[in-house]
Amino acid sequence: GEDVEQSLFLSVREGDSSVINCTYTDSSSTYLYWYKQEPGAGLQLLTYIFSNMDMKQDQRLTVLLNKKDKHLSLRIADTQTGDSAIYFCAESIPDSWGKLQFGAGTQVVVTP
Amino acid sequence: EAGVAQSPRYKIIEKRQSVAFWCNPISGHATLYWYQQILGQGPKLLIQFQNNGVVDDSQLPKDRFSAERLKGVDSTLKIQPAKLEDSAVYLCASSPSGTEQFFGPGTRLTVL
Repeated sequence: GEDVEQSLFLSVREGDSSVINCTYTDSSSTYLYWYKQEPGAGLQLLTYIFSNMDMKQDQRLTVLLNKKDKHLSLRIADTQTGDSAIYFCAESIPDSWGKLQFGAGTQVVVTP
Repeated sequence: EAGVAQSPRYKIIEKRQSVAFWCNPISGHATLYWYQQILGQGPKLLIQFQNNGVVDDSQLPKDRFSAERLKGVDSTLKIQPAKLEDSAVYLCASSPSGTEQFFGPGTRLTVL
């Protein structure tokens, strides 16, 4: 199974905030990432956070990192229909030239 | 800036046939990755190149899969012979430094 765990599905109403959660395993991971994948497309890097940070904000996206609990979350403010996609959490593997371990993805469906 | 290019986008073959995928990374990116994404799962790293040298191929099924990166630029991934369980999307990604990875659109392989 996956070492990085995510809930499989999230339904949210347009205009509300979405929160996608992830737990990872390696406390020495340097970076933690959020990627977005739309149907038939590759993965789009949304944002990433350095492990010595607690929070990172980028426009409608807020990443929170709790290193003690190895918990990462992505909050999307004012969710739009274009945010419907699968969101992947990933952790960097230390000393591996950027190798990533991905979760199975959370499918986000935005309803009008 | 042009993104990561992959071809073909779709391929259907019968089991025991051979298939090859091509990737052209973003110009100047030293690190290139091939991932396998099975339906409903996150991407799994198959092989990682730094310039034209392999730095990680621990997850590559070497009895049937091979990959090369000529002159540290383009790369090809080959499967010979294909099995039913090789049906997946094959994603190529590149990175200038290992911190940020940029993905191509992927090649969807169906093995009948």
